[in-house]
Amino acid sequence: AQTVTQSQPEMSVQEAETVTLSCTYDTSESDYYLFWYKQPPSRQMILVIRQEAYKQQNATENRFSVNFQKAAKSFSLKISDSQLGDAAMYFCAYRRRSGGGADGLTFGKGTHLIIQP
Amino acid sequence: NAGVTQTPKFQVLKTGQSMTLQCAQDMNHEYMSWYRQDPGMGLRLIHYSVGAGITDQGEVPNGYNVSRSTTEDFPLRLLSAAPSQTSVYFCASSSRGGVKEQFFGPGTRLTVL
Repeated sequence: AQTVTQSQPEMSVQEAETVTLSCTYDTSESDYYLFWYKQPPSRQMILVIRQEAYKQQNATENRFSVNFQKAAKSFSLKISDSQLGDAAMYFCAYRRRSGGGADGLTFGKGTHLIIQP
Repeated sequence: NAGVTQTPKFQVLKTGQSMTLQCAQDMNHEYMSWYRQDPGMGLRLIHYSVGAGITDQGEVPNGYNVSRSTTEDFPLRLLSAAPSQTSVYFCASSSRGGVKEQFFGPGTRLTVL
């Protein structure tokens, strides 16, 4: 079974600064997908960024980028120019490709990101 | 296009009562899943479905039943609620192809007294 570990229960960053959230995972699969989801106080789960394991290039979405290290099984999220609206819980998630990935996502326990004005 | 909808948003039950959490999606997605979110635990998979008439257990299935008679609907049934089932419940759906991003409903906060 796969596991996802987020070792930082809480992070704090000054507005306009850069912050990196850590995620490691364990799997015996060679092909899979990785995701970062954001959950603001409204509790809605919002996809931030996704990475396909067979792609070596790190995904980027505006101020959000990832550092995907497949050999190390590491998938960190970098948020540049932090904004007050970035304050939320952030979840790292894994989904295998085999079997169509039908059996859902495996989530980490989350990192609570605080933005200091 | 409403995406994934869940009802109710909030519910309070007494121990032993039964209820059904409703979930519907209008994106014609084949895959649907139910998760529960507890403080400090992230989201954990309860049950999932790959299409109408096909369901399977996830990580924490005990105390919950599901069925899927249509592509659109995937209700979650609590047969005899227990305080340990106090949680926030999310329904999600995704397509069979592509990157398989899951789209989540707004969640249901359930309290069992």
